[in-house]
Amino acid sequence: AQTVTQSQPEMSVQEAETVTLSCTYDTSESDYYLFWYKQPPSRQMILVIRQEAYKQQNATENRFSVNFQKAAKSFSLKISDSQLGDAAMYFCAYRIPNSNSGYALNFGKGTSLLVTP
Amino acid sequence: GAGVSQSPRYKVAKRGQDVALRCDPISGHVSLFWYQQALGQGPEFLTYFQNEAQLDKSGLPSDRFFAERPEGSVSTLKIQRTQQEDSAVYLCASSFAGATNEKLFFGSGTQLSVL
Repeated sequence: AQTVTQSQPEMSVQEAETVTLSCTYDTSESDYYLFWYKQPPSRQMILVIRQEAYKQQNATENRFSVNFQKAAKSFSLKISDSQLGDAAMYFCAYRIPNSNSGYALNFGKGTSLLVTP
Repeated sequence: GAGVSQSPRYKVAKRGQDVALRCDPISGHVSLFWYQQALGQGPEFLTYFQNEAQLDKSGLPSDRFFAERPEGSVSTLKIQRTQQEDSAVYLCASSFAGATNEKLFFGSGTQLSVL
């Protein structure tokens, strides 16, 4: 079975500080795509950042960056200069194009991020 | 529309009732997905459409679940003879072409409570 593990159910960070959310995954495939999605109380999932597994360079989107360690199957999300609006559930996910269900995103259970003033 | 629209936002059903959940994807988006999100869990894939063709329904939990997208735009997820374990948020997502690294646009979901 292919799984995504987010070992931190909850994390807390002070405004303007940096926080790292961890994610590990398990797949025997070499070609896949990794994502971090944010889900605020409105329930609407919003893409934060994505990474192609064949790319060695870590993806960056403004204050959000990832640390992708392919050999370790680790894909952590770093949020710099945290803002109150970053408070939400964060889900790590991957998609394997050549699998039986290549269209499906496989999500972890999520990490709830609290941002304190 | 500007985003993916789902209706109703909340649905309460008595056990055994049939329900229909609607999804209006972003205009022009070819791909449409349904996910089920139980309380405290991440979303789980249910089914995928490319235009009107249902290319993957491997995630549908039982034959009580049925999805359609007859004209390649609006989609309906139908659950027959609802059970308490069907209580969850049902999320719809769409994307322009369906490429595997493509950004999905999600709706705000329908929260289904089966009593």
